[in-house]
This record gives sequence, C-alpha cells and structure tokens, in this order.
Amino acid sequence: DGGITQSPKYLFRKEGQNVTLSCEQNLNHDAMYWYRQDPGQGLRLIYYSQIVNDFQKGDIAEGYSVSREKKESFPLTVTSAQKNPTAFYLCASSMGGAGYEQYFGPGTRLTVT
Amino acid sequence: QKEVEQDPGPLSVPEGAIVSLNCTYSNSAFQYFMWYRQYSRKGPELLMYTYSSGNKEDGRFTAQVDKSSKYISLFIRDSQPSDSATYLCAMSGGNYGQNFVFGPGTRLSVLP
Repeated sequence: DGGITQSPKYLFRKEGQNVTLSCEQNLNHDAMYWYRQDPGQGLRLIYYSQIVNDFQKGDIAEGYSVSREKKESFPLTVTSAQKNPTAFYLCASSMGGAGYEQYFGPGTRLTVT
Repeated sequence: QKEVEQDPGPLSVPEGAIVSLNCTYSNSAFQYFMWYRQYSRKGPELLMYTYSSGNKEDGRFTAQVDKSSKYISLFIRDSQPSDSATYLCAMSGGNYGQNFVFGPGTRLSVLP
C-alpha cells in the first residue's frame, strides 16, 4: 500500500525541549515538504527537499531543522527556538517539478506546554 | 497582493445545493491547478487536477480554470453532508523554487 506516514499522530512536549516529527513515503517521490497549519489558517511551508541530501527553507523555517539522508524519509525537528510550536504539522511528497501534485500524510498534532 | 486568494467562509448550504468555490491568483506563470479537500484534523487529499484553461469533471465535481481572468472554480453538484470540509486550491508552474502555492482554504458546511 503506497502512501505517506507520519508519526506520532499526537505529540506532547514541555517547553524548551526539541522534538522530531517523522515522515516516511514509499511512493518513490523525489520531493518532500513540511507544512504547518494553525487553526482556521492555510498551509505555511517550513522546509522542502527536491532531492536527497539537499533541502531549502520555506516561508517559516526559523526554529525548525530537517534532514534528507534517504529518499523515503524527511524528519522535521522542532527546536526550542521556535516561539509558537503548538500546531498541526503536515508532510507531503511529489514527483518534483512544476506539474506534479503533492500528496499529504495524515499529520501530527504537536502540543507544547 | 497575495499570490492566491480564496474566501475563507464559512460557507453553509443545504443538502442537495450546488456549491461554487473560487480562487483568484496573480501570477500568470501558473499552469497546473488543483483542488484539495481537508477534513478536520486530517491531511488534505487531492480532489481535482487540471492543466491550463478549461473544465474537468469527475462525478459530482467540476473544476474550471480561466487563465485569462486568473480565476479557478470548483463546483459540487448535489452536495452531501459528507462534503463538509475545508477546500484548498493549489497551483504551480513558473519560477518558484518549491513549485507550489496553496490558497488559505474555504470551510464548507453542508446541512442535512
């Protein structure tokens, strides 16, 4: 069954702790993306990667870090420098390039107290 | 001016109504247009994909693109309560490093 998995579905952390969100895809897609979604708001791009071992900052990269060591995996670390980390985080993948649609994972709801 | 604009709603309609959802955009380089449906606390799912101008129909859903007006629409016929969700338009093309732009989404409620 091809798709994108994100784990865990819900994550709770104390303020000041770093936390890593997992994203795995078995669609053989080259490009992967991380978005943040706040209640009643659209998607905001955090980081994206068009190819293994390469990634670029999106619109709101401050306080976040990523790695892309394998084609299938694109983990996102929310660091203690992120001022408002509580949000719904979505991972997506695509074949890459302008004409290809993105497919999304189920999301991770992160709550930091 | 934002790259993509979309009425956030909420839009409430009775069951069986025809729903019209719209997006406007500013960049004429966009060539690929998509609609996503997102249920509460779920990831968006691709609903419709169109290239350039024209119409595309899939069951109760019709996507329409008017590149000359920089305007895209999604029509839902015979709307059902299960259509209640947020609908996001998306588009790509041109010199964008990440090749993709999403609208903010319109929240739709179909009342039984």
